Amino acid sequence: QVQLQQSGPGLVKPSQTLSLTCAISGDSVSSNSAAWNWIRQSPSRGLEWLGRTYYRSKWFNDYAVSVKSRVIINPDTSKNQFSLQLKFVTPEDSAVYYCAGGVAVSGFGSWGQGILVTVSS
Amino acid sequence: DIVMTQSPDSLAVSLGERTTINCKSSQTVFYSSNNKDHLAWFQQKPGQPPKLLISWASTRESGVPDRFSGSGSGTDFTLTISSLQAEDVAVYYCQQYYGPPFTFGGGTRLEIK
Repeated sequence: QVQLQQSGPGLVKPSQTLSLTCAISGDSVSSNSAAWNWIRQSPSRGLEWLGRTYYRSKWFNDYAVSVKSRVIINPDTSKNQFSLQLKFVTPEDSAVYYCAGGVAVSGFGSWGQGILVTVSS
Repeated sequence: DIVMTQSPDSLAVSLGERTTINCKSSQTVFYSSNNKDHLAWFQQKPGQPPKLLISWASTRESGVPDRFSGSGSGTDFTLTISSLQAEDVAVYYCQQYYGPPFTFGGGTRLEIK
């Protein structure tokens, strides 16, 4: 069974970069059948998919249009984890951030515990 | 983007009663190449991440009680709880994974009457 453990700061200053990591156990970030997603949840936006990374003989990424110019999702095969970087954050980026992944449901079968990120000076 | 619309926004049901939550997608999520609807249902309790209940519109995940069932195809879907238990109090979300982008419904808050 896939388990995901998130880490990263809960407070980020405006205009800086939000960086989170999701460590995977029970599967491989390089699996040819899994996908690895980042989602955020806020009262104003609900559940919002941000993007994903997956490996199918080479690495692929997809990003939501709303954040595409500011977001990078990277796999780290040496540590079996993947990361989210969201640049130039504003208070509107404050939310609970989740990672999700695995084979089921295009990578939404297993979820991390969530991290509340507040953007504030 | 595919817009997912859930109804109702909230409902209160007596213990043991049957309840139904509806989800409508703005375009079909049926993928002809695998003959499946790419529609999932999640349950979220306070302070917890969403939990996958049902995939492919009607396939219950391992360990999910059989009082939960999913139905529908194309653009109209339903989550049914046949006999409400106290532990079913939660917010329920539908999600399409026909995407990307992958989109969620706004959620239905289920309470005990």
